[in-house]
Amino acid sequence: EADIYQTPRYLVIGTGKKITLECSQTMGHDKMYWYQQDPGMELHLIHYSYGVNSTEKGDLSSESTVSRIRTEHFPLTLESARPSHTSQYLCASSTLTEIPYGYTFGSGTRLTVV
Amino acid sequence: GENVEQHPSTLSVQEGDSAVIKCTYSDSASNYFPWYKQELGKGPQLIIDIRSNVGEKKDQRIAVTLNKTAKHFSLHITETQPEDSAVYFCAASITSGTYKYIFGTGTRLKVLA
Repeated sequence: EADIYQTPRYLVIGTGKKITLECSQTMGHDKMYWYQQDPGMELHLIHYSYGVNSTEKGDLSSESTVSRIRTEHFPLTLESARPSHTSQYLCASSTLTEIPYGYTFGSGTRLTVV
Repeated sequence: GENVEQHPSTLSVQEGDSAVIKCTYSDSASNYFPWYKQELGKGPQLIIDIRSNVGEKKDQRIAVTLNKTAKHFSLHITETQPEDSAVYFCAASITSGTYKYIFGTGTRLKVLA
């Protein structure tokens, strides 16, 4: 059973709409991440957070924004969706206080912008 | 910058045969190497990991080996089964205090019944 939850699982939305992808974890992890996965499978880090009120941009430039007001919640927002935003978005969390400290991933949100 | 190369990108094996996926990392200070399995419609799941003070680790049918000198690490799956069919990712830690990993580009494994 998942300890990190992403909603919605699938989303089809029109160009120009504002959307928020939700990510919540119940493990008390302080570190959370958003990855964009392209059809070629590669994972690209777009945002990460090391704790409440901490957010950083990742390696891949993204027009999305994130917030971290609560430890367990790390939503990603697109102010104006475009077809180029069509992708799979994966949320992950981790902590360095437990062993092993690999990421725990959510099931993902598959976004299609038409 | 740091990178992780992963080969092959696709791999087909007969059920019961072994499968090997290889990764090479660039950051000599990396000290933690997880492997993830991603099934269709799901997020990646950690299946095995290895730290830099260990050369090999085994968990039932899967094993990982690490050669720090050559900066290579590999995933070995023995007695493959159809349910092993998935995309596999290797990753290496970045030890610059950023708590991030660099992922390989993925290997799509197909186990033929």
